[in-house]
Amino acid sequence: NAGVTQTPKFQVLKTGQSMTLQCAQDMNHEYMSWYRQDPGMGLRLIHYSVGAGITDQGEVPNGYNVSRSTTEDFPLRLLSAAPSQTSVYFCASSPLLAGTTDTQYFGPGTRLTVL
Amino acid sequence: QQPVQSPQAVILREGEDAVINCSSSKALYSVHWYRQKHGEAPVFLMILLKGGEQKGHEKISASFNEKKQQSSLYLTASQLSYSGTYFCGTESPGSNNDMRFGAGTRLTVKP
Repeated sequence: NAGVTQTPKFQVLKTGQSMTLQCAQDMNHEYMSWYRQDPGMGLRLIHYSVGAGITDQGEVPNGYNVSRSTTEDFPLRLLSAAPSQTSVYFCASSPLLAGTTDTQYFGPGTRLTVL
Repeated sequence: QQPVQSPQAVILREGEDAVINCSSSKALYSVHWYRQKHGEAPVFLMILLKGGEQKGHEKISASFNEKKQQSSLYLTASQLSYSGTYFCGTESPGSNNDMRFGAGTRLTVKP
């Protein structure tokens, strides 16, 4: 199993550009999520999904869109990149356990710089 | 509301013990602990659920005080490989899997 894969690993954008960060998992997990991590800080939840066709906003959703058309894929779209979106982005997946999130498996991350 | 972790950083010698705390201002349904090494993705350590159920590594222990909305992670006989940043994540009842993470505790184990 490849686990959770993310592409690209690194990306540099100019302010105002749009792009999509890709995330895929091959573990048939219901739950998938996107986090951003800024230097010296914890993980902040952007968007999450508990199954195909179902998405919800996390703590910091502004400026980002997601969709979940299949169980395997959960892309994150930056609509109009801003310097404040410079960060490391992690995608994660997990089964659901008794109403809560189970073990989350994180992808390797995407380092995004917005100039 | 993000949980609050303490201490922010701790330095140990191999073989020493450490306790990392996580507290929330909201009622908790579950507490999740992860460790992240520099430049890598977070790795799962443990889940503690309301009602007492736990799931995680054999060599790591943790507690969950539901009434105080607090959790503690106990690292005993620390090894060099324990170095990293530890994060707690919390979910509240009715939060629909909306997990909030603390700012992290940086643990350094020296020979």
